[in-house]
Amino acid sequence: EPEVTQTPSHQVTQMGQEVILRCVPISNHLYFYWYRQILGQKVEFLVSFYNNEISEKSEIFDDQFSVERPDGSNFTLKIRSTKLEDSAMYFCASEVLADSPLHFGNGTRLTVT
Amino acid sequence: AQTVTQSQPEMSVQEAETVTLSCTYDTSESDYYLFWYKQPPSRQMILVIRQEAYKQQNATENRFSVNFQKAAKSFSLKISDSQLGDAAMYFCAYRSAGTGTASKLTFGTGTRLQVTL
Repeated sequence: EPEVTQTPSHQVTQMGQEVILRCVPISNHLYFYWYRQILGQKVEFLVSFYNNEISEKSEIFDDQFSVERPDGSNFTLKIRSTKLEDSAMYFCASEVLADSPLHFGNGTRLTVT
Repeated sequence: AQTVTQSQPEMSVQEAETVTLSCTYDTSESDYYLFWYKQPPSRQMILVIRQEAYKQQNATENRFSVNFQKAAKSFSLKISDSQLGDAAMYFCAYRSAGTGTASKLTFGTGTRLQVTL
C-alpha cells in the first residue's frame, strides 16, 4: 500500500537555525497537511495546502513557517529560525480528494537545542 | 470553532476485557466526521475508526466500535477483547465535511490506555 514518507525521522538543530522537513505524499494525492505534536500533548494543525497554495493555516503557523511543493512530489515545511519551543513531532498527511481518508506519515522528531 | 474533549487522561483494562474511551465535541455544523486515532510508542498516527455524522449507524471495525450520540455530541470508542497491542495513546478527532476543500482535523488531548495481564 502506498505510504506518506517523511525524512529525516529525527533532526537535531541549534536554536536560530533554519530547518526543512521533507515529506513525499502519496503520488495521486491532491491535499496536503502539516501537523505538530509537542511531546505529551495533543496533535495540532499547522497548515493545509492545495493547488499550490495554502488553504488554511493556524495561529501557530506564523512568519517563521513556510511550505512548498517544489517539484510535484515533495512537500516541505521550513522553519526559518528555530526556537526551543519548536521541538516537537511534525506529521505530514495527504489525501486524494477533500473528505477522503487522511494518510499520515511516520513523523519527523525535531529537537531544537 | 470546533473543540474536542477527552476527559480521561488514562485508562487501564485487563487483557480480554472491554474498555470504553470517552469523547465529546462541540460544533454548530451538521455535517462532519469523527475519528479515533491510535498512537503507539512509535508515535505513528493510525486510524482506528471513522464515523460520518449523517449516518445513524455506529461504525465498527473488528474489535473496535463507537457509540455515536449526535444530539449529545458524544463519540465513545469501545474496545472489546483487549489485547496487549492495544496499549497506546488514543485521540478523538473532528473534521468538517462537505467543504469541497482541505479540511483540518481537530484533536482531543488523548487518553493513554494501559493493558494489563
